[in-house]
Amino acid sequence: EDKVVQSPLSLVVHEGDTVTLNCSYEVTNFRSLLWYKQEKKAPTFLFMLTSSGIEKKSGRLSSILDKKELFSILNITATQTGDSAVYLCAVTRNSGGSNYKLTFGKGTLLTVNP
Amino acid sequence: EAQVTQNPRYLITVTGKKLTVTCSQNMNHEYMSWYRQDPGLGLRQIYYSMNVEVTDKGDVPEGYKVSRKEKRNFPLILESPSPNQTSLYFCASRDRGTEKLFFGSGTQLSVL
Repeated sequence: EDKVVQSPLSLVVHEGDTVTLNCSYEVTNFRSLLWYKQEKKAPTFLFMLTSSGIEKKSGRLSSILDKKELFSILNITATQTGDSAVYLCAVTRNSGGSNYKLTFGKGTLLTVNP
Repeated sequence: EAQVTQNPRYLITVTGKKLTVTCSQNMNHEYMSWYRQDPGLGLRQIYYSMNVEVTDKGDVPEGYKVSRKEKRNFPLILESPSPNQTSLYFCASRDRGTEKLFFGSGTQLSVL
């Protein structure tokens, strides 16, 4: 059974701090790892990583994957109150054809205080 | 605007009263899926559909039905809802060949 573990479960920081969110996984026939941000309701896509060592960046957010050690981190620099959300990590595996099944972690609740 | 639309956003019902949550996407995606999200359990897949008339069970299909008669629509049916189906439900879709899911805004269901 595929497994995704995120840590910490919750985190409270002040505006301007830098945070690192962790995601470790166990999956047979790994294909990719995805990060989502969930603010009020619908998760919105942040990054998809397939190769080790290649950092993905979008503004103050960045993420990297380590396929040898089976984890990924999501970094947020100079945090703002608008970064407050649940961050979800998901992994996919090749299941034959194009049925890329996503297995989600339980998420990290980030609260950024002014 | 490309989107996945779910209705209703909120629903309160009683045990045993059949209900349907609708889902529609305007991106011509082949793949659609339903998830439920519960505190401490994360997002879990209920059913998915690879294309019209092709559906399959996810991780927690008991008590749910789906149908895919048209490419854009993928309704979730609860024939006889029970309190343990109280949850936040998400419909999602993606294009063939990519893992990137687009989510609807969610339906908060309470079964009394």
